[in-house]
Amino acid sequence: DAKTTQPNSMESNEEEPVHLPCNHSTISGTDYIHWYRQLPSQGPEYVIHGLTSNVNNRMASLAIAEDRKSSTLILHRATLRDAAVYYCILRYSGGSNYKLTFGKGTLLTVNP
Amino acid sequence: GAVVSQHPSRVICKSGTSVKIECRSLDFQATTMFWYRQFPKQSLMLMATSNEGSKATYEQGVEKDKFLINHASLTLSTLTVTSAHPEDSSFYICSAQTGRLGETQYFGPGTRLLVL
Repeated sequence: DAKTTQPNSMESNEEEPVHLPCNHSTISGTDYIHWYRQLPSQGPEYVIHGLTSNVNNRMASLAIAEDRKSSTLILHRATLRDAAVYYCILRYSGGSNYKLTFGKGTLLTVNP
Repeated sequence: GAVVSQHPSRVICKSGTSVKIECRSLDFQATTMFWYRQFPKQSLMLMATSNEGSKATYEQGVEKDKFLINHASLTLSTLTVTSAHPEDSSFYICSAQTGRLGETQYFGPGTRLLVL
């Protein structure tokens, strides 16, 4: 699986937007960009995914660079419940192999 | 959304005993389930991939005779840690996916195993 690079940690204030960056310079044309987050002592939770176009859902927005070598997860208004480790993962979309390879992720701290 | 459950949520056992962890997809059929392990302060490590009705595929370095995986139905997969030792103490997490819901994996809440 292609590798992603994320900052180890980020800090935000409650009710402010948060932009979590992810670099994936070796992404291939068939790789989807997935974001998951993990709250303490819980399993990961799916956040959003995309291929080329920007994506929005009720949780977040995903902005994908035109060359697809980077992406940004946007939380529009951070809450204390958004404090978690956020993982940016590239997932090969071809064949039957859909396994995910987790990196270290970004630990997001949200200050009240 | 799709819900995945795990049972038990935490278990304490003596060294040398076997422990079974269940993973269930509650509202969808999962053709593929995955088992991960996570040690404190570390990321998730994939242990194996299981497809319903066939043998699991283990990642390199994972002992298949120690970590027995059974995926007998489209809603249930089990992981049995045989002859558990203290170094097997970890957070075990399963996930499930179905092509009908796209390429998303849905994760269970995890099982905390402590081997004394």
